[in-house]
Amino acid sequence: DTGVSQNPRHKITKRGQNVTFRCDPISEHNRLYWYRQTLGQGPEFLTYFQNEAQLEKSRLLSDRFSAERPKGSFSTLEIQRTEQGDSAMYLCASSSWTGGDNEQYFGPGTRLTVT
Amino acid sequence: GQNIDQPTEMTATEGAIVQINCTYQTSGFNGLFWYQQHAGEAPTFLSYNVLDGLEEKGRFSSFLSRSKGYSYLLLKELQMKDSASYLCAVMDSNYQLIWGAGTKLIIKP
Repeated sequence: DTGVSQNPRHKITKRGQNVTFRCDPISEHNRLYWYRQTLGQGPEFLTYFQNEAQLEKSRLLSDRFSAERPKGSFSTLEIQRTEQGDSAMYLCASSSWTGGDNEQYFGPGTRLTVT
Repeated sequence: GQNIDQPTEMTATEGAIVQINCTYQTSGFNGLFWYQQHAGEAPTFLSYNVLDGLEEKGRFSSFLSRSKGYSYLLLKELQMKDSASYLCAVMDSNYQLIWGAGTKLIIKP
């Protein structure tokens, strides 16, 4: 199975520390998305890439968050100086951009707990 | 602003039929998606509608009315494993998915 994978699956960190998550999309997919989800809510868009280019970043995203996709394959999401409000599930999704039916395939997520 | 509305929670009986409604107001429309999400897991794709009408896929069907900004997901012959959250998402004019908060479906025996 070559679905979307994310590492780590769980991360517990202390407030103020930096964390980095990795996402490996489905290999032939050119679009990669990052979302954040808290309990009882739908996914909240953070940013997305088409190949290596970061095309959009949510206005709600503080400058503590940064994402990269250097070779157009895997992506990393870094959160600097974590805060308790950053505790959430971080989801990565990928899709094959064709301008039509753009089903996004999700990875299992990384659950972040900031203590 | 952009808005997706769906009920917070619904309860249904095993073997029965349930309809989960979704209304939306978005800047542009490039299709509506339904995803299923079990607790602690990632969302998985159920259906996609871009034209008005009903799309049937096994026990699940999805309906769209673009003029009314309305969709529903119909689940037939409910099974206990259908207990999950069902997320409605609309692709806007920028081809970004706008997500509802999800409907938690509880199935009782």
